[in-house]
Amino acid sequence: SQQGEEDPQALSIQEGENATMNCSYKTSINNLQWYRQNSGRGLVHLILIRSNEREKHSGRLRVTLDTSKKSSSLLITASRAADTASYFCATDEEQTSGSRLTFGEGTQLTVNP
Amino acid sequence: DTEVTQTPKHLVMGMTNKKSLKCEQHMGHRAMYWYKQKAKKPPELMFVYSYEKLSINESVPSRFSPECPNSSLLNLHLHALQPEDSALYLCASSQDEERTSYNEQFFGPGTRLTVL
Repeated sequence: SQQGEEDPQALSIQEGENATMNCSYKTSINNLQWYRQNSGRGLVHLILIRSNEREKHSGRLRVTLDTSKKSSSLLITASRAADTASYFCATDEEQTSGSRLTFGEGTQLTVNP
Repeated sequence: DTEVTQTPKHLVMGMTNKKSLKCEQHMGHRAMYWYKQKAKKPPELMFVYSYEKLSINESVPSRFSPECPNSSLLNLHLHALQPEDSALYLCASSQDEERTSYNEQFFGPGTRLTVL
């Protein structure tokens, strides 16, 4: 079952603007990850934030994590047309054995040139 | 080499066919995964192999049969599939599923499967 919910489901912005996507989850996690998927292709890992971290940066990406609210946000600054893709959050849940990622429903980002 | 490869890229099969999907990685990763993804939906985990042993089966129907011949290869054998099994099948690998702080997954490009 998918525990992550993302909003918005779709986001359309102009090049140069910032894009913010949000993710909520339900269970305790080890870490939360963000992935990007271009249409019909494999997913690309963007950034991982551990449960004891609150904010992380990577290039134009900024991720926050609030474990008390069970939510995370992904900010893409100075967006480019090439950022057009689907973005998924994925939670790595605490559990006694094994490891699984549970993906949110995703946000379809369109950056207009 | 930081790539996960999958073959074939596209597969069309009838409901009585037997086919296999293949996945390969040479990053020394010890965990490998199969996901199923329907259009406009997130990937859904099917199987996890850890150190070449099946560690997670997400109640997948037996018409899907995974196999891990060695630490670099992962197969998904398909038999008697249904049209609703048509989807993008993604393979992924990660360093070590128990070291969860490093459990970023590397995905292959997927196999687009159509069942007629």
